[in-house]
Amino acid sequence: SQQGEEDPQALSIQEGENATMNCSYKTSINNLQWYRQNSGRGLVHLILIRSNEREKHSGRLRVTLDTSKKSSSLLITASRAADTASYFCATVSNFGNEKLTFGTGTRLTIIP
Amino acid sequence: DAGITQSPRHKVTETGTPVTLRCHQTENHRYMYWYRQDPGHGLRLIHYSYGVKDTDKGEVSDGYSVSRSKTEDFLLTLESATSSQTSVYFCAISESQAKGGEQYFGPGTRLTVT
Repeated sequence: SQQGEEDPQALSIQEGENATMNCSYKTSINNLQWYRQNSGRGLVHLILIRSNEREKHSGRLRVTLDTSKKSSSLLITASRAADTASYFCATVSNFGNEKLTFGTGTRLTIIP
Repeated sequence: DAGITQSPRHKVTETGTPVTLRCHQTENHRYMYWYRQDPGHGLRLIHYSYGVKDTDKGEVSDGYSVSRSKTEDFLLTLESATSSQTSVYFCAISESQAKGGEQYFGPGTRLTVT
């Protein structure tokens, strides 16, 4: 079963606007990661946030983590057409294994 | 794509035939993974390897087997392909959680079972 569930499933915004995607998960985690997938391509790692961190930034990306609510959000600021892609959250559990469990993804479309 | 290749990139096969997909890495990473991606399901882990000859099952391992005889190669075999195994298959690699934990993905193999 999926650990992470993204919300919304699809999002369309105008270029230049900010995009926010949310991820909820079920079990205790070691870290949570966000990935991007362009159509027909493999996934690309964007950012990793550990369970003892609350916020992390990377360029135009901002990730927050609330372990009490078992949720995370990914904010992309000043969106560009090139940000059009699917975005997935993935979690690593606290139980010592190396496996990622992926959510079902958010399809983001940036309208020029 | 972080030194990961998958072969073949596309394959059409008939139900009941065996199929082997290959993942090759040049990064010397310890961990290798096979996922399948289907609409509405995201990525689901089939099998993974934590070293040469060391493998374990993932979430959807039924009907699949794997082998890793060298650090750089991880093979996924469908012993007798079924239409439900039509999917896009991704290989991924990683070092370890202690070193970051991010995974690097190959370009994918689109498999169609008719």
